[in-house]
Amino acid sequence: QKEVEQDPGPLSVPEGAIVSLNCTYSNSAFQYFMWYRQYSRKGPELLMYTYSSGNKEDGRFTAQVDKSSKYISLFIRDSQPSDSATYLCANGTGTASKLTFGTGTRLQVTL
Amino acid sequence: DSGVTQTPKHLITATGQRVTLRCSPRSGDLSVYWYQQSLDQGLQFLIQYYNGEERAKGNILERFSAQQFPDLHSELNLSSLELGDSALYFCASSVEAGRGNTIYFGEGSWLTVV
Repeated sequence: QKEVEQDPGPLSVPEGAIVSLNCTYSNSAFQYFMWYRQYSRKGPELLMYTYSSGNKEDGRFTAQVDKSSKYISLFIRDSQPSDSATYLCANGTGTASKLTFGTGTRLQVTL
Repeated sequence: DSGVTQTPKHLITATGQRVTLRCSPRSGDLSVYWYQQSLDQGLQFLIQYYNGEERAKGNILERFSAQQFPDLHSELNLSSLELGDSALYFCASSVEAGRGNTIYFGEGSWLTVV
C-alpha cells in the first residue's frame, strides 16, 4: 500500500463547476499537507499548505484535512479551463524534509 | 518561474551511459532536493542537501549520486543507465530544511534512455 493515495482520474468537469479532489494517507507521522498543481511537463507549483485539521481557504481554493480519518481534500470553486492540470497531494513530517507525493489526479475543465 | 534552474531540459542517451543533471537553486535557498517522476511511480524523493551536506536520502539507486557545491548549485549523476531510468528529474529548493511549505520546484530535466 502506498503511503499517499489519489484517484488518478481523469476528472472532467464543465467550466464553473466545483471540483473536489481527494487524497488518503496511511502514515500517522505526517504533520503537514500540501497540494501542488502540475501542468504537463512542468514543475509542480505549490497551491496550498496546511498543518492542522480543518479548512484553509485561498481564493478559489480550499484545502481540508481530517487527520482522524487520514483524508485530505482540495476544493476548487468556479473552475476555469486554466485549472486543467494534474493535482498532487504531498505530505511531510515535522522533522524530515522530504515530501511524500500521491500519484496525482488529472483534472480537465471543459468550456 | 520558480527561480530554480535546471539543465539540460531534455536529454537522450543510450543504455550504459552516464549523465549529469545540473540545478541552480533560488537565490538565498540553502537546501536542494532531487525528485524523480515516472509515469507509474509518481514523484519519488531521491536525496536532499543542505548547505553542502547530505541531509536526507530517499529511494536513490546506488548508480545515482549527487552533490552540492560551495556556490550551492547541485548535480545529480546517473550512471550505468537503464531503460527504466527514463523519467523527469526535478530539482527543488528551499531556504531551510524541514519546512515543506517553502519547497519550490524547477521545470525538470527530461531523460530518455534508449
